[in-house]
Amino acid sequence: AQSVSQHNHHVILSEAASLELGCNYSYGGTVNLFWYVQYPGQHLQLLLKYFSGDPLVKGIKGFEAEFIKSKFSFNLRKPSVQWSDTAEYFCAVLGGRGSTLGRLYFGRGTQLTVWP
Amino acid sequence: GAGVSQTPSNKVTEKGKYVELRCDPISGHTALYWYRQSLGQGPEFLIYFQGTGAADDSGLPNDRFFAVRPEGSVSTLKIQRTERGDSAMYLCASSLMDGREQYFGPGTRLTVT
Repeated sequence: AQSVSQHNHHVILSEAASLELGCNYSYGGTVNLFWYVQYPGQHLQLLLKYFSGDPLVKGIKGFEAEFIKSKFSFNLRKPSVQWSDTAEYFCAVLGGRGSTLGRLYFGRGTQLTVWP
Repeated sequence: GAGVSQTPSNKVTEKGKYVELRCDPISGHTALYWYRQSLGQGPEFLIYFQGTGAADDSGLPNDRFFAVRPEGSVSTLKIQRTERGDSAMYLCASSLMDGREQYFGPGTRLTVT
């Protein structure tokens, strides 16, 4: 079955630092890719998505992600983080060999803490 | 518009009891999903519906878990003979159709004592 790896479990940055969170998945084929964010006390929200086309996708709040098919990766980036970006970030994959169209596979999440 | 809603927000029950968790999807969304999230982990898929039928129930851990969506809108996740290991956050999501982005509700925190 599909699996998703997020290698950074906890990232601590100062405001204005650049951010890159890694995400790799195990099975190729046609995949749809997502990053979700969970702010403290709130529910999961969609940050950005990739279905097809330009592998560099832009989401809300200045976040972007790059799909590199050959590396099975979909890393999340932001050039300059803010204190308000403190949250947990989840990478998720839809599809891939042996998977149905509805089953999202999530990584275990990365807790980002930004110090003001 | 209104997002996905889930009730109750918290449920505490005793081991061995039966519980029902309810999900109201976004109006017009044909696909509905259930996930379970334990502390420190990402959500794990349980089941999803396209309309009234379960399109994929391969994530249900055992036959104590069952879900229905009789009219293609509201869904109920049912857990029989609850065990302490069932304690988790149960998340519901919906999407316009399967294969599209999923929108999540606030979850139901289930605690089995």
